[in-house]
Amino acid sequence: AQRVTQPEKLLSVFKGAPVELKCNYSYSGSPELFWYVQYSRQRLQLLLRHISRESIKGFTADLNKGETSFHLKKPFAQEEDSAMYYCALLNNAGNMLTFGGGTRLMVKP
Amino acid sequence: DTGVSQDPRHKITKRGQNVTFRCDPISEHNRLYWYRQTLGQGPEFLTYFQNEAQLEKSRLLSDRFSAERPKGSFSTLEIQRTEQGDSAMYLCASRSESYEEQYFGPGTRLTVT
Repeated sequence: AQRVTQPEKLLSVFKGAPVELKCNYSYSGSPELFWYVQYSRQRLQLLLRHISRESIKGFTADLNKGETSFHLKKPFAQEEDSAMYYCALLNNAGNMLTFGGGTRLMVKP
Repeated sequence: DTGVSQDPRHKITKRGQNVTFRCDPISEHNRLYWYRQTLGQGPEFLTYFQNEAQLEKSRLLSDRFSAERPKGSFSTLEIQRTEQGDSAMYLCASRSESYEEQYFGPGTRLTVT
């Protein structure tokens, strides 16, 4: 069975502060992990995927297989980063995406 | 093509009634997914189609739920004899064969009274 855990329901930071949204996973195969974001009144959309190893909107995420984690980080939060963030794991067959419960990020001015 | 579309956006129904939702994926996407999202939770996988074939079903998909994708294009999700516990946002997503990103629709919010 595959499982994704996001321990924080809400994370509140001030503008300019560093941000880390935690994600831990459980999966017996080789994981492929994603971060999805949902801005207010918008649909769910992909933010980044671990295999691309890129930075999107200043966010990065590193897969740590030893700690089974895929935390999302940004050094300086912006108000427009306020949104719901979901960590997700794709199984090896590529046919099932398992989401965490989500973390609401609030960036205060 | 402006992305994945879902219809209706909102549905209020009485317990025991049947409801049907429609999803139109991005036109060249052959893979289609249904998810359910309840308040405060992430989306939960329900079922997956590759073209017209339904290849995966979650245990969440009880026998009151049925999904079809008859021509490998749009899909429908039907819930029979709705229960209050079926109240949720139902999301549809699609992707191409070659790229793992799933593109989500706006969802259909179901309220069972």
